[in-house]
Amino acid sequence: GQNIDQPTEMTATEGAIVQINCTYQTSGFNGLFWYQQHAGEAPTFLSYNVLDGLEEKGRFSSFLSRSKGYSYLLLKELQMKDSASYLCAPMDSNYQLIWGAGTKLIIKP
Amino acid sequence: IAGITQAPTSQILAAGRRMTLRCTQDMRHNAMYWYRQDLGLGLRLIHYSNTAGTTGKGEVPDGYSVSRANTDDFPLTLASAVPSQTSVYFCASSNRDSTEAFFGQGTRLTVV
Repeated sequence: GQNIDQPTEMTATEGAIVQINCTYQTSGFNGLFWYQQHAGEAPTFLSYNVLDGLEEKGRFSSFLSRSKGYSYLLLKELQMKDSASYLCAPMDSNYQLIWGAGTKLIIKP
Repeated sequence: IAGITQAPTSQILAAGRRMTLRCTQDMRHNAMYWYRQDLGLGLRLIHYSNTAGTTGKGEVPDGYSVSRANTDDFPLTLASAVPSQTSVYFCASSNRDSTEAFFGQGTRLTVV
């Protein structure tokens, strides 16, 4: 079956760094997405990895290891506005996104 | 219209009533999706359409139907609403080979 595993909730301090891990099992693989979702809002795209390695985009970076079925999202210089849920979503062989329940990130001053 | 638009944004519906949630996109994306999101659960795919004229069932299709008469519109119909269909519904679109799916703002539906 298809499965996504990521922590339910994490807490971090403003200005710090946090890493949100995601492990996955899918039928085929066509890349992995990370989305950010603020409470009461729609998910918005953060990053996409299809090859192994690190993709950096400003304060956010995403890493993928296809052989391990593992990805992480790294957030640097945390700001209060980064308080949100972060959704890991690999794409299967049918180009369907498989969604995890998300990690709620709480930023404290 | 810019991007993808859903209507209504929220609705309270009596059980047993029929309801259509509307979704329109102006990006000429070929693929469209309907998801529901419930507290503590990930987005669950209800139905999808890879191109105009075709639809497919997702993970939780029971009680819902869709149509895709053209590229832009992808309505979701609840034939006879039940309280378990209380949820937030998101419509999304993408090109099949795109690296990004765009989401509508969501419809918060309460069935009483």
